[in-house]
Amino acid sequence: GAVVSQHPSRVICKSGTSVKIECRSLDFQATTMFWYRQFPKQSLMLMATSNEGSKATYEQGVEKDKFLINHASLTLSTLTVTSAHPEDSSFYICSASGGKGGYTFGSGTRLTVV
Amino acid sequence: GNSVTQMEGPVTLSEEAFLTINCTYTATGYPSLFWYVQYPGEGLQLLLKATKADDKGSNKGFEATYRKETTSFHLEKGSVQVSDSAVYFCALSVDSNYQLIWGAGTKLIIKP
Repeated sequence: GAVVSQHPSRVICKSGTSVKIECRSLDFQATTMFWYRQFPKQSLMLMATSNEGSKATYEQGVEKDKFLINHASLTLSTLTVTSAHPEDSSFYICSASGGKGGYTFGSGTRLTVV
Repeated sequence: GNSVTQMEGPVTLSEEAFLTINCTYTATGYPSLFWYVQYPGEGLQLLLKATKADDKGSNKGFEATYRKETTSFHLEKGSVQVSDSAVYFCALSVDSNYQLIWGAGTKLIIKP
């Protein structure tokens, strides 16, 4: 079936540094990629939607300069958290559409900013 | 380990039919349970949730009851509309863990 590989699964970084999270569709072309953020025991929050080759569409309240999304190819999308702060600590997950299953989730990345 | 199992799709119904999408789970501790919906071309949206046994989540005519005795959280709607056509995901979140555990998703097709 359709597989999305997301890494790293966990990352700890210092405040003020940047972190890049990658999502790769391994066996299908991901025409659209969704990026979500989740706080403990709460639901996912959609951050942005990206289509290959075009700029991402960000949800209201999400800082586009802080959460940089690149979807340069049909198999790779990246989310870069720039100048990370402790309040950015969260669980980030991507979801890709384009495979036979419709939508496929990555396994998520737990970001801890210290 | 923690897991979510939901019925395979696609599920095809006529407008105004009764809908049930089954979801069962295994989990340690006391999970919160969620139903998410993804409409064509859009991102996931939280549809409803329940955080403890016997809680009923409801939204947009959809309901689901947290049944601890049967470890289930089935999604129901009394009368579906064409606009309900979407993919529905059941998920759980366990204490002290950020991560959502997802079902595979069920595609729902409503025909006029």
